[in-house]
Amino acid sequence: SYELTQPPSVSVSPGQTARITCSGDALPKKYAYWYQQKSGQAPVLVIYEDSKRPSGIPERFSGSSSGTMATLTISGAQVEDEADYYCYSTDSSGNHSWVFGGGTKLTVL
Amino acid sequence: QVQLVQSGAEVKKPGASVKVSCKVSGYTLTELSMHWVRQAPGKGLEWMGGFDPEDGETIYAQKFQGRVTMTEDTSTDTAYMELSSLRSEDTAVYYCATENPHDPVGAFDIWGQGTMVTVSS
Repeated sequence: SYELTQPPSVSVSPGQTARITCSGDALPKKYAYWYQQKSGQAPVLVIYEDSKRPSGIPERFSGSSSGTMATLTISGAQVEDEADYYCYSTDSSGNHSWVFGGGTKLTVL
Repeated sequence: QVQLVQSGAEVKKPGASVKVSCKVSGYTLTELSMHWVRQAPGKGLEWMGGFDPEDGETIYAQKFQGRVTMTEDTSTDTAYMELSSLRSEDTAVYYCATENPHDPVGAFDIWGQGTMVTVSS
């Protein structure tokens, strides 16, 4: 089955840039989406279609995709950005099945 | 504004089935493509399946095929997810999720509050 691979953890100091990667064989053809999940809460969509920000999401959140890797960038990370981040996409087999990456714990301290 | 309200927590014995509901307000269920995602304690998000508007069918993740059934009652705008042959590994928070039809983004941006299902003897 299709898999998306993320690093388990990323750590930055406040004000630094955090980059979280997501690799998957179908990413050259399929969009990546990114969710933020804080403890005990439902996920929140922070990036859609590789690089677009939903309304209400701060400008410090951005996304990009190149080849088999998508990247979520948080420029000037803040303490409140500490959360789990998940990429989400579909495979290119045509069966319309979706998958989440394993998640990345972002620590900002 | 679409809102999703899920049913309350459940405790089930191994081998039993559970049926979680997701009540839609703000839109009708026929205007939405409902999906289900679960999260075991301390683990990541796991897509279980959902309605594919391109095919007009419900697609299930391979892992759950044969054990999960997702249905809809359009008269009450309520979606259901039933999981059978429960085992301890099915202990998780189950979420319904959908895309805002007013401003589609291609993924879920509206989530229910989650339903905790505990499988224990």
